[in-house]
Amino acid sequence: QSVLTQPPSVSGAPGQRVTISCTGSSSNIGAGYDVHWYQQLPGTAPKLLIYGNNNRPSGVPDRFSGSKSGTSASLAITGLQAEDEADYYCQSYDSSLGGSEVFGGGTKLTVL
Amino acid sequence: QVQLVESGGGVVQPGRSLRLSCAASGFTFNNYGMHWVRQAPGKGLEWVAVIWYDGSNKYYADSVKGRFTISRDNAKNTLYLQMNSLRDEDTALYYCARSITLVRGAVDFWGLGTLVTVSS
Repeated sequence: QSVLTQPPSVSGAPGQRVTISCTGSSSNIGAGYDVHWYQQLPGTAPKLLIYGNNNRPSGVPDRFSGSKSGTSASLAITGLQAEDEADYYCQSYDSSLGGSEVFGGGTKLTVL
Repeated sequence: QVQLVESGGGVVQPGRSLRLSCAASGFTFNNYGMHWVRQAPGKGLEWVAVIWYDGSNKYYADSVKGRFTISRDNAKNTLYLQMNSLRDEDTALYYCARSITLVRGAVDFWGLGTLVTVSS
């Protein structure tokens, strides 16, 4: 059971917009700690998509965006493309765990 | 370009030890915090440990606290993970990963990983 909760799967058709939620608590997201998002294509290492809640590293398309409110965060993907089919993970810091980073359980995005 | 190359994985019996290494290149190693993150077969990412840029602070996931030790040698640009009292549930691909800051936080570069299999 992950400290950060993500839906196991989401899907969308090419061109559509999808969102992936990441729900935490008052000891992590709700405490104001940053949320980061990663994309993991099959058989590869994860790739940083969003850091500090809503910042994109260079090279990440602006189709990807992040937001945070209260004890939750979201990753939005617009103009869905076939190559977006991957696993997505959120990450934050949890003060109740002695200085631990925590990942969400991951969400499998299927492009229909 | 940034490169992180893990080594030291393999098959080990429960209760035994293993030491992973991560050779870093292409950046100023002592300017970044470093993480170990693992992924069990078919499962999600699990954060394992982080060490600050100068080695002054180390933090661990509860699942490995007291058994694993993270360390770094800034002169050799190398990160380590000493794993003792290994359990079946430690079986995973272990990634070496660079923090985006001096201390902790997001990971901006990942290695390809080294596979650890704990089995009798």
